[in-house]
Amino acid sequence: DTAVSQTPKYLVTQMGNDKSIKCEQNLGHDTMYWYKQDSKKFLKIMFSYNNKELIINETVPNRFSPKSPDKAHLNLHINSLELGDSAVYFCASSQDYFTSVADTQYFGPGTRLTVL
Amino acid sequence: QKEVEQNSGPLSVPEGAIASLNCTYSDRVSQSFFWYRQYSGKSPELIMSIYSNGDKEDGRFTAQLNKASQYVSLLIRDSQPSDSATYLCAATGGFKTIFGAGTRLFVKA
Repeated sequence: DTAVSQTPKYLVTQMGNDKSIKCEQNLGHDTMYWYKQDSKKFLKIMFSYNNKELIINETVPNRFSPKSPDKAHLNLHINSLELGDSAVYFCASSQDYFTSVADTQYFGPGTRLTVL
Repeated sequence: QKEVEQNSGPLSVPEGAIASLNCTYSDRVSQSFFWYRQYSGKSPELIMSIYSNGDKEDGRFTAQLNKASQYVSLLIRDSQPSDSATYLCAATGGFKTIFGAGTRLFVKA
């Protein structure tokens, strides 16, 4: 029944490691997003995909690489993790970014990443 | 740089009072505006969306939009302790949604 799901919920790892976060939505939406929320609760867009194609790529280090195998999935791979990458990462989806002016986004439960 | 600004708070109101949350945005291209509620340790969930000037009411919540002043607000009537959360304002325009940093609301029983 979960609309937008993410795994894992918690991720604790050492600096320099490579890790992935997975996201899946069962809403039939065309657009998916990755957001980073830092300790001050500021929610910042990282990437957006529409029908498996990258449409938004904010100023994010190229250690972060999104991958969308199909429009229901958007994964985030992070290489060479740094202390500053510690945050909560939210996946979200919306119906169709390009055709809907009022495009509500539905968020996953978040992945709390802690880099030691 | 497109920005959405909110007072971080905390805003503290007694139970039963009206809570007023405000938001300004810098980008005149912005067309749609959203209020999300985020409980501690949880994900944001949509409370209201508004895209025309004026007021929009949904239960105890009223969103107000003034595009000339680039101002969006959310009123919560009859505030309840369960309304205590961080409220995120968001503006969408030019194929991008920008979130404000959120206002923390505390409703005292």
